[in-house]
Formats: sequence, C-alpha cells, structure tokens
Amino acid sequence: DVHLVESGGGLVQPGGSLRLSCAASGFTLRSYWMTWVRQAPGKGLEWVANIKDDGRDKYYVDSVKGRFTISRDDAKNLVYLQMNSLRVDDTAVYYCARDVTRGWSPWGQGTLVTVSS
Amino acid sequence: DIQMTQSPSTLSVSVGDRVTITCRASQSISRWLAWYQQKPGKAPKLLISSASALESGAPSRFSGSASGTEFTLSISSLQPDDFATYYCQQYSSYPRTFGQGTKVEI
Repeated sequence: DVHLVESGGGLVQPGGSLRLSCAASGFTLRSYWMTWVRQAPGKGLEWVANIKDDGRDKYYVDSVKGRFTISRDDAKNLVYLQMNSLRVDDTAVYYCARDVTRGWSPWGQGTLVTVSS
Repeated sequence: DIQMTQSPSTLSVSVGDRVTITCRASQSISRWLAWYQQKPGKAPKLLISSASALESGAPSRFSGSASGTEFTLSISSLQPDDFATYYCQQYSSYPRTFGQGTKVEI
C-alpha cells in the first residue's frame, strides 16, 4: 500500500526554522518526483515546491524561494522541506504528495506549521 | 503565472442532484488539468487527471471535460459521500496553481 507520512511541524517564532520530513512506503521513491503543498487555515491549496526523481531539478513558488529547500534521501525513503526565515503567513498544514505526472497521488495526512510569537 | 478561476465558490445541492463545477485557465494549458476532492480535516484526493481521465477507484458518477481553457467537473447524481470541497489544478507550467475551490454543501 502506498503511504506518505509527514512529520516535523510545530510552533515556531517568526524568523525561525523547521525541517519537515515525509516518509514514503509502498513504492520506489527514487522513481518519482515529489511535491510539497500547503494549506493555510480555512484557505485553499498552494503548491510550494517539487523535486525531480534524481534530485537534480527543484522548483519553488516565488514566496518561498531563497527561504525553503526541498531535498530527498532515497536510501532512507525520505523527502524533506527545510524552512528558514519563517513568516506568519507560512502558517499552514503542509502536505507531501507523490507526483504521478498526471497529478499528485497519494497525499500524506499533513503536518501543521504555526509561525507565531 | 497561470490563474485558475473556479466557479461557483459554494454550491448548495441535494442528494441525487447533478452537479457541475467550472474551472477556467488564464491561458492555454492543453489538457494538463487535475481535479481533487478534499473532505474536512483530510488530505486532498486525486479524482481526475488529464482533464477527463478518471482515477482508479473514483466512482463513475464523476466525469471531466475540456473546451479550450474551460474545464468542467460533473457529478451525475450526488451521493452523501460527495459533500466536500473540489479543487482544479494545472500542471502545464510553473508555478503549479490551483483554483480557489468549490464547496459542495447541502
């Protein structure tokens, strides 16, 4: 069964850092692009970043460029999102998802990041 | 960036109704469009890809269509399990963008 589990969320002050992890199981991680998507409380979905299957290409939404870094460790079946210089408007549930070219499936259950003083 | 405009924002319907949700792209995205269903407190689930391809496991009452830059998600006969928020998303270019969502409620 294909499964994704995010972890690493929590409460952080503005300007702080967090690293999110996404543990993959049930499929060969190195064969897939992977994606992070976020959802602010009561709001819609926003794509954040994705990473090519070989890790060489990465893409980001403008609002996180220079602050967030996506990476992967296929040997550990993990995908990461390093988030630095966090802002209040980064507060959201962060989901990881497998990119199946025609869309994203499945998604993890999400991890909540709250940026507040 | 490609803007995805979904309508309506909210749809008040009854079980058994036919439902139609529209998503318009600000420029051509060919058929690089997906539809997701999200229930409260849950992760989104991929329903339709390539504008009209039903994902494995998705009920056949869901269908998608495309005409130029306008895309439609239809539910032929709404079931209680279908009350949710639906999002369109383009994967033609970066940044990937979503519509603002359509909440289907009683």
